[in-house]
Amino acid sequence: KNEVEQSPQNLTAQEGEFITINCSYSVGISALHWLQQHPGGGIVSLFMLSSGKKKHGRLIATINIQEKHSSLHITASHPRDSAVYICAVVGQGAQKLVFGQGTRLTINP
Amino acid sequence: EPEVTQTPSHQVTQMGQEVILRCVPISNHLYFYWYRQILGQKVEFLVSFYNNEISEKSEIFDDQFSVERPDGSNFTLKIRSTKLEDSAMYFCAVGSHSSYEQYFGPGTRLTVT
Repeated sequence: KNEVEQSPQNLTAQEGEFITINCSYSVGISALHWLQQHPGGGIVSLFMLSSGKKKHGRLIATINIQEKHSSLHITASHPRDSAVYICAVVGQGAQKLVFGQGTRLTINP
Repeated sequence: EPEVTQTPSHQVTQMGQEVILRCVPISNHLYFYWYRQILGQKVEFLVSFYNNEISEKSEIFDDQFSVERPDGSNFTLKIRSTKLEDSAMYFCAVGSHSSYEQYFGPGTRLTVT
């Protein structure tokens, strides 16, 4: 069974701090997604990656396939980054997403 | 990014009633998914639908649930006889055969009383 674990579960930081959220999974995957969920509930896709590193603005996502681990980094964090960040994976031979429990990020001004 | 709409945004229903949740993808995607998120819990997979048939379903997706594409565009999730524990946010997502990208709709909040 594919398990996806995120850490930390909750993270509070001051504006401007560098943020790291971690994701570990237990089986081989085809792809890993980082998603953002705002208080209203909607889910927005931030990244999909299967190797290496991707960058979009202040967000950077990395993945280490051998170690079954991914990180999401936010540089120069801002209060508008406050949200729940969710890691989800696509198992090999599958199409569905298996989700982590999410990391609730709060950035204080 | 393709837009996915879901209706209604919020539905309140009494236990035992049937509900139909609708999903309309704007672009021409072939894979459809339903996920749900019970308040305070993680998002869970319910069912995937490809080529007009279910391609995979979870153990949550029992005989009370069904999906269909009645007119080739709308993708619906029906819950035949709702239970209190069906209260959740239901997300539709779409994807393609050539990529593992999935695009989510805004969700339908179902409240069963």
